[in-house]
Amino acid sequence: KNQVEQSPQSLIILEGKNCTLQCNYTVSPFSNLRWYKQDTGRGPVSLTIMTFSENTKSNGRYTATLDADTKQSSLHITASQLSDSASYICVVSSSGGSNYKLTFGKGTLLTVNP
Amino acid sequence: ETGVTQSPTHLIKTRGQQVTLRCSSQSGHNTVSWYQQALGQGPQFIFQYYREEENGRGNFPPRFSGLQFPNYSSELNVNALELDDSALYLCASSWDSHYGYTFGSGTRLTVV
Repeated sequence: KNQVEQSPQSLIILEGKNCTLQCNYTVSPFSNLRWYKQDTGRGPVSLTIMTFSENTKSNGRYTATLDADTKQSSLHITASQLSDSASYICVVSSSGGSNYKLTFGKGTLLTVNP
Repeated sequence: ETGVTQSPTHLIKTRGQQVTLRCSSQSGHNTVSWYQQALGQGPQFIFQYYREEENGRGNFPPRFSGLQFPNYSSELNVNALELDDSALYLCASSWDSHYGYTFGSGTRLTVV
């Protein structure tokens, strides 16, 4: 069964601090992995996407890593800001062509306090 | 990201009623998928349409149905609404399953 597990479930940090969110997956066959940021009541917004051959991808203060051998990914947020408070969701896409499936993690709820 | 539009943004229905949610996919996208996201949970896959045909379905009952139109816009219909159907419904469109899927902002459905 395809699964995506994220940790921690929730995290509280102070503004300016760094943090790392984890994602472990058992999805096969693997196509790509995306990290999304979702504000409460809004649709997810893509931060990074990585395919099998990519180890690291950055988008401003967000840096994602992927270890396809261990099926693990992380999202590192540098110099956090209050606006980073949101749910961060790891999504893995399996298979290809027109018949594909996205498997979602439950997300990590990040709260950045002043 | 922009390009996927969902309507309405909020909706309140009574248990037993029927509802239709709409999604306009991003220009050039031919695949649309729908998700249900309960409060505090990750999105759950409902179904996917590719070139007007359903080609994938999650663990949802038949009262959840959909359509995709020639312009690749889509509808999600839910009959006989139940209280547990209250959720954020997300639509995502893609031109290629490998890479480019974009989410709309969602429709918040409340069933009372």
